[in-house]
Amino acid sequence: GESVGLHLPTLSVQEGDNSIINCAYSNSASDYFIWYKQESGKGPQFIIDIRSNMDKRQGQRVTVLLNKTVKHLSLQIAATQPGDSAVYFCAESYQGAQKLVFGQGTRLTINP
Amino acid sequence: NAGVTQTPKFQVLKTGQSMTLQCAQDMNHNSMYWYRQDPGMGLRLIYYSASEGTTDKGEVPNGYNVSRLNKREFSLRLESAAPSQTSVYFCARGRGTGLTGELFFGEGSRLTVL
Repeated sequence: GESVGLHLPTLSVQEGDNSIINCAYSNSASDYFIWYKQESGKGPQFIIDIRSNMDKRQGQRVTVLLNKTVKHLSLQIAATQPGDSAVYFCAESYQGAQKLVFGQGTRLTINP
Repeated sequence: NAGVTQTPKFQVLKTGQSMTLQCAQDMNHNSMYWYRQDPGMGLRLIYYSASEGTTDKGEVPNGYNVSRLNKREFSLRLESAAPSQTSVYFCARGRGTGLTGELFFGEGSRLTVL
């Protein structure tokens, strides 16, 4: 069953293409950013994180880009697979805050 | 389950009833969190506990209470449930003391208040 909202921004991509999911964050003091993937009926799962002293970080098939000038974060998924279908959330925090603030989320759907 | 177990997984309440959502972690880390997730919105922080014996309000604490019973357990209580509290509730644990990295989430507790 659905665990997240019906009116989320949606990105549809062809299987095998690259996906780019964008996120605008709100707090210029934020120094830690993280991307989560949430599949239907499950809790969010960590994908990749980045600190503000970096502008790019790569993982397995994923890359996170950080542009502090415009407070923008993006998640790039290479060679998108059906298993990548999920809702993706960005979250931000700042040192000492002891809490993450989540964005609204983007639903990624994969077309065969 | 990322070392976080939530119970119950599903619950239906009538307006005015009370209940407690239980959360336990098996990693002996200090920080624990309760979030709620509503349709069309991201996760919003209700309460968190940086360490055993301490709790702090998050973004949406009204209508909830929490107890950090010991290092492992962090419960969320609804004293008088309202339909606006219909949501999916997620418990999470952090790494070590404070927020030094990602949070690890449980599978969620789906609460409906009629």
